[in-house]
Amino acid sequence: DSGVTQTPKHLITATGQRVTLRCSPRSGDLSVYWYQQSLDQGLQFLIQYYNGEERAKGNILERFSAQQFPDLHSELNLSSLELGDSALYFCASSAGPQRTNEKLFFGSGTQLSVL
Amino acid sequence: GEDVEQSLFLSVREGDSSVINCTYTDSSSTYLYWYKQEPGAGLQLLTYIFSNMDMKQDQRLTVLLNKKDKHLSLRIADTQTGDSAIYFCAESKEGGSEKLVFGKGMKLTVNP
Repeated sequence: DSGVTQTPKHLITATGQRVTLRCSPRSGDLSVYWYQQSLDQGLQFLIQYYNGEERAKGNILERFSAQQFPDLHSELNLSSLELGDSALYFCASSAGPQRTNEKLFFGSGTQLSVL
Repeated sequence: GEDVEQSLFLSVREGDSSVINCTYTDSSSTYLYWYKQEPGAGLQLLTYIFSNMDMKQDQRLTVLLNKKDKHLSLRIADTQTGDSAIYFCAESKEGGSEKLVFGKGMKLTVNP
């Protein structure tokens, strides 16, 4: 168990809908990362938050947004969903930003299916 | 640009050694990582190597880095059925995790 908790584990929804994925980082970790894993694109970095502030942005669509709350949990909001958004969404956490050998701890992911 | 390539599948017998290969394109990469993903689980960091090293050994795992050829390999000695998983190679430029670029992963199947 990595200590990173993601809910829900599975989510099935329809095109055009909006969903929220939730992540609780390991106790004491200040950084939260979101990744999208799909068969064709592999594992893509979406966005990182550190202590409530956006720190780095990757291949995140404008239809997607995220935030990190004062209690350090994070939510990833996906709106106007398309079939191609079906993927496994991972959250990871780490102690802080860009330290040497910064280690990421991954949650077990949320499997999103858009029908 | 940033690109990490891996073979997709490898099948070995229990007790044999497994070698998982990876090539990357960004010569300014500073850290290279190996992650393991078991079915239904997230990614678990196995080991990493700093770009000024050629080799790193950690119990059954040996990482070899050929910086000239931008080639990274992970050797698993005495492979066990519990090693069956998808293995990801990843690189970063600044030692910071937010810049991790992952390969698409290689599925290792260990047959008894």
